[in-house]
Order: sequence, then structure tokens, then C-alpha cells
Amino acid sequence: GENVEQHPSTLSVQEGDSAVIKCTYSDSASNYFPWYKQELGKRPQLIIDIRSNVGEKKDQRIAVTLNKTAKHFSLHITETQPEDSAVYFCAASNSNDYKLSFGAGTTVTVRA
Amino acid sequence: DGGITQSPKYLFRKEGQNVTLSCEQNLNHDAMYWYRQDPGQGLRLIYYSQIVNDFQKGDIAEGYSVSREKKESFPLTVTSAQKNPTAFYLCASSIDFNSPLHFGNGTRLTVT
Repeated sequence: GENVEQHPSTLSVQEGDSAVIKCTYSDSASNYFPWYKQELGKRPQLIIDIRSNVGEKKDQRIAVTLNKTAKHFSLHITETQPEDSAVYFCAASNSNDYKLSFGAGTTVTVRA
Repeated sequence: DGGITQSPKYLFRKEGQNVTLSCEQNLNHDAMYWYRQDPGQGLRLIYYSQIVNDFQKGDIAEGYSVSREKKESFPLTVTSAQKNPTAFYLCASSIDFNSPLHFGNGTRLTVT
């Protein structure tokens, strides 16, 4: 089955700096890669997703890049703000069994 | 709230008892999922379902059972065979597979 590894497990950045989280996946058939943000005590919410026919996708201060050859994808947050502090999860799934497998999460802390 | 409701928010049971967690959605979504969230381990898939009367095992199905008799409902039973049932359980739904998940607020189960 799919194995998704996520790094780093914790990330502390100064407000205004950028944050990068990287995930690798094992199943070359994976074709859907969402990112979820979970604030303390709340449910996870989708912040951005990318499909395998696209190499990069942006939404304001958030971007995701995908390298299918290397089987890794990354989340980039620019101009970080205190409200970006949360746990971020990457995930991957494919069209064979549709299991959405998550990484272990990255706790991001933005220092004011 | 958000179209997907989990109840109760907190649940306490004695060891050896089966317990059923409720999940209801009014989003008209076809796919539904159950995840378990433990600190430092991300979200692990227990069961998922694409249509009524059909469901598949996820990565950690042992000790759990589900049913999908109605499109709106996907209850999870934690049986006495689950060796470490104390955890935070999240239900989710999506329009179909490889689409964004909408999560419920979760149920925190404590078994003593």
C-alpha cells in the first residue's frame, strides 16, 4: 500500500518568512495530493490540492509543487502570519483503490 | 455545522464493551471515511465506502466494523477486539474519491 512520509515534524519560523514542508510517497500510481490544515481543537480542512497532470499550483500565499519522477511534493507558505500556526498534513491517493493515506503531520509555529 | 455531524463529542467505555460512533452527512456525498488520529501518527484510515452497502478496509481495520445502509450514515463500531481503542476518531465525506474531504468534528473515545 501507499506510504507517505512527511518532513519536518515541527517547524518554527519568524513571521513574514517562508515555510516549506516536504512529503514523499511510495506508490507510483498515486495521482491526487491534497494538503490539510488542522488548527488546535478543530477539524482538518483542505487548503490546497494538486493532481498528477500538474506540476505546480498556487493560491495566494500557498503553493504546492509535485515531482512525479522523484515521488515527492511540497507545500510552500510565503509571508507567514500567526494564523498560519497549525498542524499540516499531506496525503496521497490513486485511482486503483482510492485509499487516501496521510503523512504524520508537521506542527508549524509562526513566531511574532 | 459543515454538513457532517459526529456524535457524541466525548465517549467513555469500559474495556470489553463494543461501542458505536455515529457519523451523518447531509452533503449528498457518495464517499465516506473513518480515520483514527493519534499524536504523532497523522490520520490512519480505518474503513471507507463509495456507495451504499459497499465498504472497504483501510490500513487499520482490525477490531473495527462499519455499515453503510444509507447514503447519509456511516457508523463505526469499535469492538472489544481492538487492542488500543482510546483515540480521536474522525469521519469524513467527499463527493467522490480523489476529491476534497469534509471532516466532522470528531469523537474522542476513552476506554478504561
